[in-house]
Amino acid sequence: GAGVSQSPSNKVTEKGKDVELRCDPISGHTALYWYRQSLGQGLEFLIYFQGNSAPDKSGLPSDRFSAERTGGSVSTLTIQRTQQEDSAVYLCASSRDNNYGYTFGSGTRLTVV
Amino acid sequence: GNSVTQMEGPVTLSEEAFLTINCTYTATGYPSLFWYVQYPGEGLQLLLKATKADDKGSNKGFEATYRKETTSFHLEKGSVQVSDSAVYFCALRENRDDKIIFGKGTRLHILP
Repeated sequence: GAGVSQSPSNKVTEKGKDVELRCDPISGHTALYWYRQSLGQGLEFLIYFQGNSAPDKSGLPSDRFSAERTGGSVSTLTIQRTQQEDSAVYLCASSRDNNYGYTFGSGTRLTVV
Repeated sequence: GNSVTQMEGPVTLSEEAFLTINCTYTATGYPSLFWYVQYPGEGLQLLLKATKADDKGSNKGFEATYRKETTSFHLEKGSVQVSDSAVYFCALRENRDDKIIFGKGTRLHILP
């Protein structure tokens, strides 16, 4: 597609429920990144996929968080047993290769009540 | 580890004022440096970048020079406009590490 597409744009969920956030990167971009933007915390790296390599999961805050990327394209970020501190904007970005900057999606605003 | 520190906001200026947003970094190698901007209600966009020491990135009247000796990448603009109101993020990427590390962002308000 023309840009990075994320869905849903907004998600309100009850504490303890699981949520899935979707990212559709730009066609042909081999690298895909998930970040979390919390008020006053800036952008926090979560996970990074590059081609067929094992993902860099070093930023995932707990084992309740997981992500997969199917067929080298669409990615899903799953948060299990959501907590109120998970409330944030979750941003996805993709990149063509190491020498280019990222293109960000508009994000999913997650609110856990 | 690698990190980026930028001045805390919010920064409030009058239109046509001179802008500086300070950014310093810590890195083990020779990173690429970036400024990203997030306008109200929009996603992050790359504003400018520099990939080696003494490089100057520029875009939309904004400039930043990669200063290795002071490990800095300060953002400047000579005359700001109301439309520059946004959140600005300084960021770096190590050559050997593909993820970009962001600062906490600086919110800029320009008053007419």
